[in-house]
Amino acid sequence: GDSVTQMEGPVTLSEEAFLTINCTYTATGYPSLFWYVQYPGEGLQLLLKATKADDKGSNKGFEATYRKETTSFHLEKGSVQVSDSAVYFCALSDLGSNTGKLIFGQGTTLQVKP
Amino acid sequence: EAGVTQSPTHLIKTRGQQATLRCSPISGHTSVYWYQQALGLGLQFLLWYDEGEERNRGNFPPRFSGRQFPNYSSELNVNALELEDSALYLCASSLQGRMNTEAFFGQGTRLTVV
Repeated sequence: GDSVTQMEGPVTLSEEAFLTINCTYTATGYPSLFWYVQYPGEGLQLLLKATKADDKGSNKGFEATYRKETTSFHLEKGSVQVSDSAVYFCALSDLGSNTGKLIFGQGTTLQVKP
Repeated sequence: EAGVTQSPTHLIKTRGQQATLRCSPISGHTSVYWYQQALGLGLQFLLWYDEGEERNRGNFPPRFSGRQFPNYSSELNVNALELEDSALYLCASSLQGRMNTEAFFGQGTRLTVV
């Protein structure tokens, strides 16, 4: 079945460092890909999305490119801030099946230190 | 505009009891989704309701059930609670069946079974 694999955390960075969180997926169809963020004590927020190959999603300085050839959707940010500390989830949804289901990776905890 | 709201925020139940969790979607959204976020297990899809009907369910036993009301709000019921049901239960809503585009999550209900 479809699946999403994320790099294990926690990822600890100093403020202004460059961030990469790896995400790869397995899917039989043509999924849409998402990054969600969960701040402490809160629900999930959609950070960015891409619906087809080579699309680049971006928001709040974060970006990710849908790479079909490597089945990847890595999250990057050029300069992280303490306020970016959160858990980040990569997810996919299969347009064709319309199952109403997002499949999530295990989540990667990011800790940014001043 | 109000986001997805869930109640209660926290719920403590004894093993064998029943729990009822509630979710109000964003105005205009007809689809409601339930996810379980258990420690160490990531986010697991539970149920999808749209226009008052169950459209899909995840790999959970029948004691997990729910319904959607005419105003599109939803209830999740968990019968015969087990210790491993302790988790954060997240509700999300979207326009009809459009989980693969834009879905908004609530803050979650933290269920603790003792």
